[in-house]
Amino acid sequence: KAGVTQTPRYLIKTRGQQVTLSCSPISGHRSVSWYQQTPGQGLQFLFEYFSETQRNKGNFPGRFSGRQFSNSRSEMNVSTLELGDSALYLCASREGPRGNTEAFFGQGTRLTVV
Amino acid sequence: GQQLNQSPQSMFIQEGEDVSMNCTSSSIFNTWLWYKQDPGEGPVLLIALYKAGELTSNGRLTAQFGITRKDSFLNISASIPSDVGIYFCAGQIETSGSRLTFGEGTQLTVNP
Repeated sequence: KAGVTQTPRYLIKTRGQQVTLSCSPISGHRSVSWYQQTPGQGLQFLFEYFSETQRNKGNFPGRFSGRQFSNSRSEMNVSTLELGDSALYLCASREGPRGNTEAFFGQGTRLTVV
Repeated sequence: GQQLNQSPQSMFIQEGEDVSMNCTSSSIFNTWLWYKQDPGEGPVLLIALYKAGELTSNGRLTAQFGITRKDSFLNISASIPSDVGIYFCAGQIETSGSRLTFGEGTQLTVNP
């Protein structure tokens, strides 16, 4: 069974640009969550999608958005990039939206904003 | 937002030694997960705990879900060089859906 796949692995963008990151969950998993990891703030929850609906959202500005497709693949978008958006963006895959299930992470997308 | 207090922040041990790290919170959790992360990679799930008092092992790793549901610990026995990495606890608060709250991480260094 393939794991969680995130693309691209690395990305360099200029301040003010926008970026789209992709996550394909484990086959059969329908819940996808996104997290931002930085040295200063650690791992912070961005949002969660299940059945193409956002079910939960963290404390991030509206520049951070996401969506989920009918095949459970998810994308997150960051508009008007700022230097502080440089981070490792991680996607977590779960069978369903309930919390008492295991969450598996992808390798992440390393975003650098210059 | 809600944070987990994870300790210690870092550990330097000799190969063969046992290691213990823990996480505490002021909130009640209904799930505890322990992850290991290598540089440049995503966290890898080590152990999942779902019931207060639950003690679960995975090879040389043992973790427990505290009785008060506000803490968890992870033990690694007979450490080996490949245990090097950052260990994170993550918990799910009852009222926060499936959102995970992460500890700050424990950086483990194993000297051969």
